[in-house]
Amino acid sequence: DQQVKQNSPSLSVQEGRISILNCDYTNSMFDYFLWYKKYPAEGPTFLISISSIKDKNEDGRFTVFLNKSAKHLSLHIVPSQPGDSAVYFCAASAFGTASKLTFGTGTRLQVTL
Amino acid sequence: DGGITQSPKYLFRKEGQNVTLSCEQNLNHDAMYWYRQDPGQGLRLIYYSQIVNDFQKGDIAEGYSVSREKKESFPLTVTSAQKNPTAFYLCASSMAIAYEQYFGPGTRLTVT
Repeated sequence: DQQVKQNSPSLSVQEGRISILNCDYTNSMFDYFLWYKKYPAEGPTFLISISSIKDKNEDGRFTVFLNKSAKHLSLHIVPSQPGDSAVYFCAASAFGTASKLTFGTGTRLQVTL
Repeated sequence: DGGITQSPKYLFRKEGQNVTLSCEQNLNHDAMYWYRQDPGQGLRLIYYSQIVNDFQKGDIAEGYSVSREKKESFPLTVTSAQKNPTAFYLCASSMAIAYEQYFGPGTRLTVT
């Protein structure tokens, strides 16, 4: 049962444009959401997170939006740069679950020149 | 320079052998985790530990074992009972009350 879903396995965006990565979840107990970026053969690096009490969190070029009623979150990268090319994982956690994270399957972002 | 180290980066074993993957952190984090990544899949939790001498099974613990004798170390043993051991293994750590986990560079295990 995939509780966190990233339905787009890949996305290609031109440099300078906006990249929008999407994530859906089914577990209504999730109250904290994170995005990780991963390069091949490396560990994921934490990018940005959002608590369920907010609907938006911004950090430089990265903004995460949360729509609780739709159980949907998205990561916006503006402007996209070639160094952003990586696999992006969405993850979620529920209060009281010992910080256990449930990950989506990832979206591979390719930023082209 | 704090971080998480995993060694070795690549590991090759014959089928039927147990193998232990190392994970060390100097971030003073209380919690540590082991994940497995397969092609086209997300990270799946194998085991996690919130304090020394205590650990819990994750979603795919069968065929794996762990120990947590020191706060800094959380080794994972892939036993011969694990049916599909070839994968990329990731160790992570976090503060006890934080959601953000920090990952090591990973170990790619190939069993033939």
